[in-house]
Amino acid sequence: DAGVTQSPTHLIKTRGQQVTLRCSPISGHKSVSWYQQVLGQGPQFIFQYYEKEERGRGNFPDRFSARQFPNYSSELNVNALLLGDSALYLCASSLEGTPNSGANVLTFGAGSRLTVL
Amino acid sequence: RKEVEQDPGPFNVPEGATVAFNCTYSNSASQSFFWYRQDCRKEPKLLMSVYSSGNEDGRFTAQLNRASQYISLLIRDSKLSDSATYLCVVNERSTNAGKSTFGDGTTLTVKP
Repeated sequence: DAGVTQSPTHLIKTRGQQVTLRCSPISGHKSVSWYQQVLGQGPQFIFQYYEKEERGRGNFPDRFSARQFPNYSSELNVNALLLGDSALYLCASSLEGTPNSGANVLTFGAGSRLTVL
Repeated sequence: RKEVEQDPGPFNVPEGATVAFNCTYSNSASQSFFWYRQDCRKEPKLLMSVYSSGNEDGRFTAQLNRASQYISLLIRDSKLSDSATYLCVVNERSTNAGKSTFGDGTTLTVKP
């Protein structure tokens, strides 16, 4: 069975540009979460979507947005890129709407590594 | 103060050693607790959940002290393959229940 898949795996952008990252959850999983991981730090929560609705939002500026599609895949958009947006962007899926609660654990994709020049 | 704090290490231990990692969390409303493992330039993977009564999975033992808001991970008989960063993860009982809060990780290097 395919795990969580993310694309692209690597990308380079310049300041002020916009980027769209894509994620396909594990088949049957209805929840998708996005995390940002800067080198040397743990993943930071950006968004969680469940059944196409936003269920959680972290402390990120409005330049960050996301959505979930009817097939449960998701996109993360970042506008007006800053140097500080350079990071590994991780998508994680879980079966139900409350990830990491009981048996409903997060499974991560390999991530999209964004470099902003 | 960070919501979840870990000793960053690095911990450098010989094969066969026993090593313990600690993690403290600030939100007393936290509900669920986990240890994830992250290899260099890879994604985090669930190592084990942490239960109030403590739990063991082979060489790994996790414990939770809710009163002290403290979580621990003990690795016995360390293997070279245990070299990784270990992330402590906490979920809150709140309206933002979809949020998992990660510590910055503790790096372990097991040497021959």
